[in-house]
Amino acid sequence: DAGVTQSPTHLIKTRGQQVTLRCSPKSGHDTVSWYQQALGQGPQFIFQYYEEEERQRGNFPDRFSGHQFPNYSSELNVNALLLGDSALYLCASSRRTTWGTQYFGPGTRLTVL
Amino acid sequence: QQQVKQSPQSLIVQKGGISIINCAYENTAFDYFPWYQQFPGKGPALLIAIRPDVSEKKEGRFTISFNKSAKQFSLHIMDSQPGDSATYFCAASHISNFGNEKLTFGTGTRLTIIP
Repeated sequence: DAGVTQSPTHLIKTRGQQVTLRCSPKSGHDTVSWYQQALGQGPQFIFQYYEEEERQRGNFPDRFSGHQFPNYSSELNVNALLLGDSALYLCASSRRTTWGTQYFGPGTRLTVL
Repeated sequence: QQQVKQSPQSLIVQKGGISIINCAYENTAFDYFPWYQQFPGKGPALLIAIRPDVSEKKEGRFTISFNKSAKQFSLHIMDSQPGDSATYFCAASHISNFGNEKLTFGTGTRLTIIP
């Protein structure tokens, strides 16, 4: 049983560019959440998708947007990249009514130059 | 703003000893309290989670103790091994009225187990 997968593993972009990160949830999971983890910090909640809709959002600007597909996979898009967007972006999946059990993928390391 | 405070920032324990990491929260609306283990270059891995109506939960060498009145919870790692060396994060889960779950993480504890 494959766990949460994310692509790409690493990404280097320049300021002002746009980036798309991808996530496939664990089998049987229907909810995807995205987190940003700066170096030496705990993950910060960006937003959560369920039934192809954004259900909840953290304190992130509109430059951060996402999408969930019918197969439950998800994308995170970041526009107008800033140096401060450099971080590890984590995707977590869960089953809607199984609380306290979000499973994380390996993350995508984004570097903005 | 919901916050979870974690201590210590770093911890060195001898092999076979007990590692203890503490967390405190401010918001009483949290519903679950999971702990995650993260190795360098990897995503956090769920270790164990506890509900606020339970005072203790044990899974193998890992035990969560929960003090609801003090709004504190802790992770105990018994018989600590070098393979336990990693960064540990406590988290608090809030579930909205619509069933949406959001995790708020502590700042992490870097645990090193020495021979």
